[in-house]
Formats: sequence, structure tokens, C-alpha cells
Amino acid sequence: AQKITQTQPGMFVQEKEAVTLDCTYDTSDQSYGLFWYKQPSSGEMIFLIYQGSYDEQNATEGRYSLNFQKARKSANLVISASQLGDSAMYFCAMRFREVTGGGNKLTFGTGTQLKVEL
Amino acid sequence: GAVVSQHPSRVICKSGTSVKIECRSLDFQATTMFWYRQFPKQSLMLMATSNEGSKATYEQGVEKDKFLINHASLTLSTLTVTSAHPEDSSFYICSARAGQAIDQPQHFGDGTRLSIL
Repeated sequence: AQKITQTQPGMFVQEKEAVTLDCTYDTSDQSYGLFWYKQPSSGEMIFLIYQGSYDEQNATEGRYSLNFQKARKSANLVISASQLGDSAMYFCAMRFREVTGGGNKLTFGTGTQLKVEL
Repeated sequence: GAVVSQHPSRVICKSGTSVKIECRSLDFQATTMFWYRQFPKQSLMLMATSNEGSKATYEQGVEKDKFLINHASLTLSTLTVTSAHPEDSSFYICSARAGQAIDQPQHFGDGTRLSIL
């Protein structure tokens, strides 16, 4: 069974510093996609970045980059130059190909609460 | 970017009432829509997956008769919580996706906070 693990329930970082949020996954599938979402206290889920299992380069999107280590089954999110507005819950999620019904749904990790401090 | 609208954002109602939540994809056709439930400080729990024009696929442990899902068009899905009770109080959030490709992101609505008194 597919599983996503985020081992950091909470993280603190100082403004303008970089922070890494950990995500490991477990799957026997060769084809899968990894996503990171941000959820501010208001509740909406904001898509940040995507990494495909066959992508050779690490994904980057502005201040977000993904440290993808396929052999270790990890897909850590790196946020550079942290801002106060980055304070939120961050979820790692994985999608794999599902043969029977369901339409390849996302499996979410438990999340990491990030707090950016002055 | 893709926009998903969810309405209402907050509902407070008496026990026994049925509550309908709408989820609309505003600028794309959503072949698949998903409904999640989230308890405070916890992850999203998938309740069901719906494809336009067909019956929803419910996750194990989710009562089909309690949580009615309708996906009547490519831009609209509804979740009806029937005869809601205090234990149904939660944050419900919908999500929509335009296609089946593995790299297709799911776009989320802003969620509905449901409080049953």
C-alpha cells in the first residue's frame, strides 16, 4: 500500500532563512507523482509544486524547490528566503496509477506546521 | 490558475437538518471531483471520488446514505450531509481535476466549515 510520511509535526524558521520540510513515501509503483500543498489557517489548499517519478531534474517553482531522491524515496520541500506569509500547514501528497476505479487519487501525509518568525 | 469555488464557506445549523455543499470548477471542465473531510490539525481524509455522470466511489467507512454526492455536470458536484448530527461537524473541502494524467494537479475549493448544534 502507498504511504506518505511527514515526520515533522512543526517547524520554526526565521524570516529570510531557508527551511526544508521532509517527506518520504513508500510505493512499489514505478510511475507516480508527488505534490506539495500549502494550507493557511483560512483553510484553502494551495498547490505549490509537482515532481514526477521519471523527472530527472528537481522541480523548482519560484522560492519552492523539491529535493527529490528517488532511491531514498524522499521528496523534501525547500522554501528559500522564508516570509511571514509562508506560515501555514504544508502537506506532501502522492498520486499513483490505480488500475481499478477511483481515478488515481491523492494520498496525503499528516502535514507539517511551519511558523516563520521575525 | 484553475479556480474551484465552494459554497457555502460556513454553515451552522440544528441537528437533523440536511446540508448541501456545492463545488464548482469555474474555468475548466472537471472530469473528476473529490470530497475530503478534515478534522482540526489533521490531514485530509478522502470521502469519495465522483466522475461526471456516474455514481460516486466512496472510501471504506464512509456512509453513502449519509453523504450523498451528485456530479451532474463537468463543472458542478454537490455533497449533501443528510440528517446532520454534531459528530458530522467538520471542515469539508472539495477538489477538482481536469484529466487523468498523473501530473494533473488537483485544485481545491476554499472549504466549508460545518457546525451542527
